[in-house]
Amino acid sequence: DIQMTQSPSSLSASVGDRVSIACRASQSIDNYLNWYQQKPGKAPQVVIYAASSLQSGVPSRFSGSGSGTDFTLTISSLQPEDFATYYCQQSYSTLYSFGQGTKLEIK
Amino acid sequence: QVQLQESGPGLVKASETLSLTCTVSGASISSYYWSWVRQPPGKGLEWIGNIFYSGSTNYSPSLKSRVIISVDTSRNQFSLRLTSVTAADTAVYYCARLNKVTTDYLYYYMDVWGKGTTVTVSS
Repeated sequence: DIQMTQSPSSLSASVGDRVSIACRASQSIDNYLNWYQQKPGKAPQVVIYAASSLQSGVPSRFSGSGSGTDFTLTISSLQPEDFATYYCQQSYSTLYSFGQGTKLEIK
Repeated sequence: QVQLQESGPGLVKASETLSLTCTVSGASISSYYWSWVRQPPGKGLEWIGNIFYSGSTNYSPSLKSRVIISVDTSRNQFSLRLTSVTAADTAVYYCARLNKVTTDYLYYYMDVWGKGTTVTVSS
């Protein structure tokens, strides 16, 4: 099984800040890595797929990078609607797995 | 637009079988892979399994002995059965569509989700 580990588990930041969330895979997954945003009481929504491709309709302040085992989700200038929990998910294996999540909170 | 709707009992007794259905509207179930994901209260997302319209499946190793995902193309639905449930199976259960993107390689990601349905296992 491929284990996905995110860091940090929680992060406090202010509107306008640049923030990054890391995701590490237990083995190489090339760039088969997706990022999801989840707000309380809502279903997750994809923001980045294939490590760095921006999902249609997602603001360009979101970006993804990385390949192999180490990946990063970056939000260039935080907006109030970005405060949420973010999950990475690998689709390299037919047995998918999620990271444990990173909760992004307002400072 | 594409919509997914989970349905099924909100309360299941321990040791019994959890059964949920996801009804797809706005898209043919025969064109995509489909997923089930769950989220225990206050915890993260857990992938349960995927199914293609042909019926081919992949299951989480931790749940494989207890889970069956099936598809009914005539009703544009797919279903989840989880046997011998315990309190640890209490969660919000989501169904999702796996979108496929083909560039040099083939990528899949969950692009449309249902709103989720809460299932509580009672003793």
